[in-house]
Parts: sequence; structure tokens; C-alpha cells
Amino acid sequence: GAGVSQSPSNKVTEKGKDVELRCDPISGHTALYWYRQSLGQGLEFLIYFQGNSAPDKSGLPSDRFSAERTGGSVSTLTIQRTQQEDSAVYLCASSLFKGRAVQETQYFGPGTRLLVL
Amino acid sequence: DQQVKQNSPSLSVQEGRISILNCDYTNSMFDYFLWYKKYPAEGPTFLISISSIKDKNEDGRFTVFLNKSAKHLSLHIVPSQPGDSAVYFCAASIGGSTLGRLYFGRGTQLTVWP
Repeated sequence: GAGVSQSPSNKVTEKGKDVELRCDPISGHTALYWYRQSLGQGLEFLIYFQGNSAPDKSGLPSDRFSAERTGGSVSTLTIQRTQQEDSAVYLCASSLFKGRAVQETQYFGPGTRLLVL
Repeated sequence: DQQVKQNSPSLSVQEGRISILNCDYTNSMFDYFLWYKKYPAEGPTFLISISSIKDKNEDGRFTVFLNKSAKHLSLHIVPSQPGDSAVYFCAASIGGSTLGRLYFGRGTQLTVWP
């Protein structure tokens, strides 16, 4: 299994609860991305990591959303006090950064389907 | 504000014929474009890309055309096969690189029937 993996694959939670979504990138990939896809929408960028730092987190929709990456590998996306509008598929991707102007594709995981009741 | 637009939510094509999927963008800073294919319950997989310094890129049955003046690109699949049935997403980036955010369209569901 050399691809991007995400857990859980499905999550049902009640409004107001906190959830944690996990992403394991492809081994050796230094860049990691979080996107989400709401019903009928395209993929919406949330945050991207280069190593353990996040040069761009401008896509996080509110301060209820946070993400971290440790050891340059696994990343966790946390949603606090979930709302029904947070229901979506949360996708993680990783890519290998070899230097500047890289055109290495982003490889996506299967996603976590989050349903907030 | 949707900066990458796929105005056709669905397309149905007979096997063996050409499929043409269209994409428009509004941000003139975009200089690298990608197409991804997505099957149900799977993540998107990369299909083909094109840099803004080119107007065409070909890979087997897949060809992407870029018209910068019209801010339009299209994906041609020839010949179409039933296994091509999937959702196709157009994406764009800034800086000639995929390091950083990709801007996605809403996707086009392609159905190829025998």
C-alpha cells in the first residue's frame, strides 16, 4: 500500500462534537494538502504543508478548523464544534517537492466522508 | 467565487466516439492546468496536464488543448471507452507548479455507453 491513506473512511457525528481526521501521505512526500468536497461542489482547498509548517492555510473556513503535521509525515485535521455545513468528503493529497517550480502531481487519498447530524 | 468553471455537469457519449470536456477559468495568473479523473468512493487521480507555454499536450487517447486568450481548455478522449466513465475535474495553479493549492472546477460526469 504505497498510496495516500486516510482514516476513518466514514464518520458520523452529532452537531457540536469535535472530530479528528487523519492522513498518511506517500512515504517521502514532503508536501501535504487538505481539500474538501461538499455535495455538488468542486474540491475546495483548505491547507497545505511543506514539511511540518503550513505556508498556506488561507482555505480553512473558520477558526473551528485546524490542522497539524508532525514528523513531516502524518497529518490530522481537527474540526471543533461541528456544524451540519461541515458535512463533506475531506480529501488529503501529497506530493514530492524536489525543488522550485516542481510539476509533481498531487496524489489523493480516498477521502473521509463526514456527516454531521 | 469559482475561478475554474466546468459548465457541463454531465456528458454522455457512445463508445468509440470522441468525448470533449470543457473548462473555463477567470484568473489570468493561472499558468498550469491539470485534469483529474474520479471514480466513486475513490480519490481523484491525475490524468494529464499542460503548461501555459503550450497549447496542446497529448498522452495516448487523451489530449488537452489550451486557449489562453479565451481562458479555455478542453480535454479530448479518443476513442472513448466504458472504463472512462467517471467524474472529470479541471484544476489550475499559479506559479507553473503544483506546489501549493490547486483550484478545481465542480466536475463533469462522463458516461460512455456501449
